Amino acid sequence: EIVLTQSPGTLSLSPGERATLSCRASQSVSSSYLAWYQQKPGQAPRLLIYGASSRATGIPDRFSGSGSGTDFTLTISRLEPEDFAVYYCQQYGSSPGFGQGTKVEIK
Amino acid sequence: EVQLVQSGAEVKKPGESLKISCKGSGYSFTSYWIGWVRQMPGKGLEWMGIIYPGDSDTRYSPSFQGQVTISADKSISTAYLQWSSLKASDTAMYYCARLRITMVQGVGAFDIWGQGTMVTVSS
Repeated sequence: EIVLTQSPGTLSLSPGERATLSCRASQSVSSSYLAWYQQKPGQAPRLLIYGASSRATGIPDRFSGSGSGTDFTLTISRLEPEDFAVYYCQQYGSSPGFGQGTKVEIK
Repeated sequence: EVQLVQSGAEVKKPGESLKISCKGSGYSFTSYWIGWVRQMPGKGLEWMGIIYPGDSDTRYSPSFQGQVTISADKSISTAYLQWSSLKASDTAMYYCARLRITMVQGVGAFDIWGQGTMVTVSS
């Protein structure tokens, strides 16, 4: 089983700042089967990034994903008010699972 | 519009059975895997399992194997998640979601999500 560890647990930033979220896997994630989701309170998650770096349909280009192997990053270049939410990484190769989440809150 | 619409909130007693549903529309229901994700109150997301409605091929997370049953009725474009005997620890929000098509069967990110079904189990 691949365990995903996200850091930090909470990120306190101001609108306009850059957010960098980390997702580390306990084993290599095959074929970059790594996705990122955004979840706002009371809403279902929304797919942001798949294949480690491909943006999903309709996702603004301020969101970008990078990484391979065991280390992956989600970057939000300039935070908009609607970006404050919880973000989850997911590996969907062998025994799919999610990280525990990173909360991006307004400073 | 591509969408997944889930059945409404449920309140049940321990030991009772339950089946919740997820109806797809706006796309070829039999061509995409559908999965279920659990979110316990205040907690993160847990991958439960997936089903291919075209042939009912089903795969479970080891954590949920034997605890729930995933099924689908392709004639009405609906997937199901069911319990035979609920426990208080089954209290959670349950989401269905569509697996994005990739080159490998049963492998993909969830690109379309239902609105969630809240299940509360309490005596």
